[in-house]
Amino acid sequence: EVRLVESGGGLVQPGGSLRLSCAASGFTFSTSWMSWVRQGPGNGLEWVANIKEDGSQKYYVDSVKGRFTISRDNPKNSLFLQMNRLRVEDTAVYFCVRERTESFHEFWNGQYVHAGYHFYGMDVWGQGTTVTVAS
Amino acid sequence: LVLTQSPATLSLSPGDRATLSCRASESVTTYVAWYQQKPGQAPRLLIYDVSNRATGIPARFSGGGSGTDFTLTISSLEPEDFAVYYCQQRGNWPPDFTFGPGTKVDIK
Repeated sequence: EVRLVESGGGLVQPGGSLRLSCAASGFTFSTSWMSWVRQGPGNGLEWVANIKEDGSQKYYVDSVKGRFTISRDNPKNSLFLQMNRLRVEDTAVYFCVRERTESFHEFWNGQYVHAGYHFYGMDVWGQGTTVTVAS
Repeated sequence: LVLTQSPATLSLSPGDRATLSCRASESVTTYVAWYQQKPGQAPRLLIYDVSNRATGIPARFSGGGSGTDFTLTISSLEPEDFAVYYCQQRGNWPPDFTFGPGTKVDIK
């Protein structure tokens, strides 16, 4: 069974830190782009960050740049989100998500070169872990 | 990029046809997806690449559109379809994501 299980949420004061973990099972974690998506109380979905299969590329929404760090441990099938300098507005349920992607290549200068990743949806979601930032 | 979904709420009866709109502030890639979320649950992927149904999604769900305007259509609402629906777009590079604010489909 394909599964993602988040942990590490809790109550933290503004300015504090928290580290979220996500345990993956049932699929080849090391070949999957992964994301964190959050949902504030009564709010919609907000993408937070993602990381390439080998961890060499990471991208963030502007509101968390410089404060949050996404990382992964492929041998342990685990995804992490280190959250520092937390703000009240970071209060949310945080979902660990698998991105279904496929690498594609284009013919350039006489050879095929990697050109990007087709995206086929965020197809596996964890149940989420709740982060509350309050004094 | 801003995604706008309309209407915010759609009040319909089982058996009705639902048409949900997602409009982008600028022309976007074909990496448009739709998700369904029920209270207390994680979102579920319905549609990817504008019009492709995800695995296990019934044929009553269909997606379409291009450029800046996209739609999700539910041809005949079943009781389990009453939920919130989000559209999403992924950029080419960087591969970041934007979600729309959601459309709630509730029972009339």
